Parts: sequence; structure tokens; C-alpha cells
Amino acid sequence: QSALTQPRSVSGSPGQSVTISCTGTSSDVGVYNFVSWYQQHPGKAPKLMIYDVSKRPSGVPDRFSGSKSGNTASLTISGLQAEDEADYYCCSYAGSYTLYVFGTGTKVTVL
Amino acid sequence: EVQLVQSGAEVKKPGESLKISCEGSENTFTTYWIGWVRQMPGKGLEWMGIIYPGDSDARYSPSFQGQVTISADKSSSTAYLHWSSLKASDTAMYYCARGPKGYCSGGRCFLASDHYFDYGGQGTLVTVSS
Repeated sequence: QSALTQPRSVSGSPGQSVTISCTGTSSDVGVYNFVSWYQQHPGKAPKLMIYDVSKRPSGVPDRFSGSKSGNTASLTISGLQAEDEADYYCCSYAGSYTLYVFGTGTKVTVL
Repeated sequence: EVQLVQSGAEVKKPGESLKISCEGSENTFTTYWIGWVRQMPGKGLEWMGIIYPGDSDARYSPSFQGQVTISADKSSSTAYLHWSSLKASDTAMYYCARGPKGYCSGGRCFLASDHYFDYGGQGTLVTVSS
């Protein structure tokens, strides 16, 4: 099972929107609505930001949103803020054999 | 508040064995599956495996099957990640995290449909060097 494909980096100025893609296959992202997204600041543990493609846990700002089309899921950060600078990882359920697969990770830089 | 507390950093030599731990609450360890994730230096997250402490059913990523052993002690609300013979390439940060709820039927336990990891430990750094 290969890792889901994410862009290595994206950047934006404060207040702008950025979108991170997460491309999988018809065995994971394309068939299950169980995509989650994690934010990781340097030296810190990952934090859940989005689950079930588009749901936000309590306490996550509503400028974070998720969507999916076909084999590709996306995380959009609207109104980019300095504290959003971090690495972001997608993760998909991939069936009862493989169970889960993470994305390759994307570094978000706030210019 | 849900907390998962991992054991401290370890420095080991190649060929040595190691078991690191992840302790949580009784509710977490009787209701949820607990997963393990590896992050090698400067690299991304890799899902390793998951265990249901209720019946110690462990499932592994094909990439980690046979390389590590995941176990749990429900009575002490602790999950473990074990290596019998470490390699330099095992040098990484390891995170435990609370996964889906579990349910049991017909003598087997299953993952419910909440496929995400909502609370995690602080990480355990494992360094393997001669």
C-alpha cells in the first residue's frame, strides 16, 4: 500500500486561502469517506483537524475545511494565520487488510 | 480530558530488544482501539498497527508486520510496542493514538466506523546506534 500523494509544500500570505490535495486510489480515498487530516508543528505531536472528509472536531477553527472528489481529498485553510504554519498529513481508511494509510505530508508556509 | 502518556526516550544498540509503552484511562482502553505511528527523522507519518485492548486483537500495516509486536494490558490501561532485535533504521519518534471505538460480536472484535485518531501521546524517541 503506497502512501497517499500530497504536494511537498504550499504557501500563502496571511488572510489568503491555501488548499492541500491528497491523492489516493479507488482502494482508499476513492471508496471510503474516512479521510482525516492532521496538523503537526515542529517538535510536537500531530493534532486531528478534520475527520470523515469534512467534519471538524470541537475546538478546531472553522477556517479549516475538508472535501473530497473521486480519489482526491482536499484540505482548505481560509484566512491563513501565522500559527497555521505547520506540516499537514492526510490519512485514509483503506479496508480491513491495510486499515490505514497516511499521506506524504505538506509543509504550509505563511509568507 | 483524554490523555495518553508515553514512556521516555530510549537509546539502544543494534540487536537489543525494546518495549515502549502508552498509558491511558480505563475508559479509553476498554472502548477504543489504540494505534501506533512512526515518524523517522525529518520524514512523514507512517501507520504501523492497532490493537483493541479489550481482547488484545492486533492488526498490522503490511509494512510493519513481523517487524514489531503490539500488545496491551487492559488491567493497567497500557499499550506496548515491542522490538526483539532493533536496527539502526528503527531510529524514529513513535506516537500512540486513540483510534476507532471497538465492538465485539460472535467472539471477535471489530473497529467501528470512526476511522480517525483523535487523541495522541507525546511521542517516544527511540535512537538505535552502535
